[in-house]
Amino acid sequence: QKEVEQNSGPLSVPEGAIASLNCTYSDRVSQSFFWYRQYSGKSPELIMSIYSNGDKEDGRFTAQLNKASQYVSLLIRDSQPSDSATYLCAVTPEKRSGSARQLTFGSGTQLTVLP
Amino acid sequence: SQTIHQWPATLVQPVGSPLSLECTVEGTSNPNLYWYRQAAGRGLQLLFYSVGIGQISSEVPQNLSASRPQDRQFILSSKKLLLSDSGFYLCAWSRGVSGNTIYFGEGSWLTVV
Repeated sequence: QKEVEQNSGPLSVPEGAIASLNCTYSDRVSQSFFWYRQYSGKSPELIMSIYSNGDKEDGRFTAQLNKASQYVSLLIRDSQPSDSATYLCAVTPEKRSGSARQLTFGSGTQLTVLP
Repeated sequence: SQTIHQWPATLVQPVGSPLSLECTVEGTSNPNLYWYRQAAGRGLQLLFYSVGIGQISSEVPQNLSASRPQDRQFILSSKKLLLSDSGFYLCAWSRGVSGNTIYFGEGSWLTVV
């Protein structure tokens, strides 16, 4: 059974702080990793994808991947109240050119940014 | 750019009634299409996926069915709803030729009473 584990939270950080969201996965052959943001009552929206070990930065967001430790994280710098949402981690053994059929989602971490 | 729409956004249906949720994708051809369900406090569960017209794969045994009558249209149906069918239903797409990135529609909230 492929599993993607996230701390359900809630995680609370003050405005302007760094929020750190963590995700572990059980399938060692996982190749592609995604972070989605889901506001309450809305559908998930893609924030970032990462395929190689190391860091990937996009604006205030940084995804970190460590395949040896089967660990992927999302850092949000200068957190804003508008970042308050549930963050979903998703993992698949498919490479970038593959399908999304085997994508497995974690149950999400609820983040609250306090003004 | 690509867009995905699904409807209705919310519906309340009695037990035993039929269901039809529709989804369309614009701005791309031959997409892979997916139906997910998200129950309260739980992760996303893949229900169906399709790689082409008339080609449907079911991931879990259930009271639901899916159809793809056109390249960019995906329909989720049920003949008789159960209470356990309540949840947030999400249509999604990914590039058919190459692309494992999922993009979601707005979602449909279904409450079976």
